Amino acid sequence: NAGVTQTPKFQVLKTGQSMTLQCAQDMNHEYMSWYRQDPGMGLRLIHYSVGAGITDQGEVPNGYNVSRSTTEDFPLRLLSAAPSQTSVYFCASTPAGSTDTQYFGPGTRLTVL
Amino acid sequence: AQSVTQLGSHVSVSEGALVLLRCNYSSSVPPYLFWYVQYPNQGLQLLLKYTSAATLVKGINGFEAEFKKSETSFHLTKPSAHMSDAAEYFCAVSDLHGNEKLTFGTGTRLTIIP
Repeated sequence: NAGVTQTPKFQVLKTGQSMTLQCAQDMNHEYMSWYRQDPGMGLRLIHYSVGAGITDQGEVPNGYNVSRSTTEDFPLRLLSAAPSQTSVYFCASTPAGSTDTQYFGPGTRLTVL
Repeated sequence: AQSVTQLGSHVSVSEGALVLLRCNYSSSVPPYLFWYVQYPNQGLQLLLKYTSAATLVKGINGFEAEFKKSETSFHLTKPSAHMSDAAEYFCAVSDLHGNEKLTFGTGTRLTIIP
């Protein structure tokens, strides 16, 4: 049981490049989400999904796309990276409707030059 | 809309002293409240949670928090600080339907003075 895994751990992009941050969980959780963490701002919700085929926007969705084709995977796509997207990105999962904790991945540190 | 405010972005306490990290919430419905800890270069780990059962909640590593509806507060305490408590702490709130959509505070970095 690996929990929530994220790849890569570190990434450097140039402005305008695209990339996909990978997130996978093996706990059969319905709910998955992406957060970004910036100094002094805590974690902010980017996108979330309540199940395969269902996604919705969070607090800061601009510049990011998501899809959920399987229960296990929830990739985050940056279509045209900007320096403002330099951040640490966390993926999390939890059973839907649960009061259990959200399980967080180890994070991806992204730098956009 | 729900929100949390963490007072004090940095808190320093001496080893063995009381730890008090403040969190106030705003929610239009009865909230679920959480405290998470983040050690350097790691993800977030749940310390404790309030989900409308007992108002005094005990968590891991000797931490506890008390839900006070009249003060809209959920402050985190530990009677005696340990060097290993140095980390960043986040308070978070979600609505009555569960913890799917968490709204986080801006975090408090705790430093322990030897």
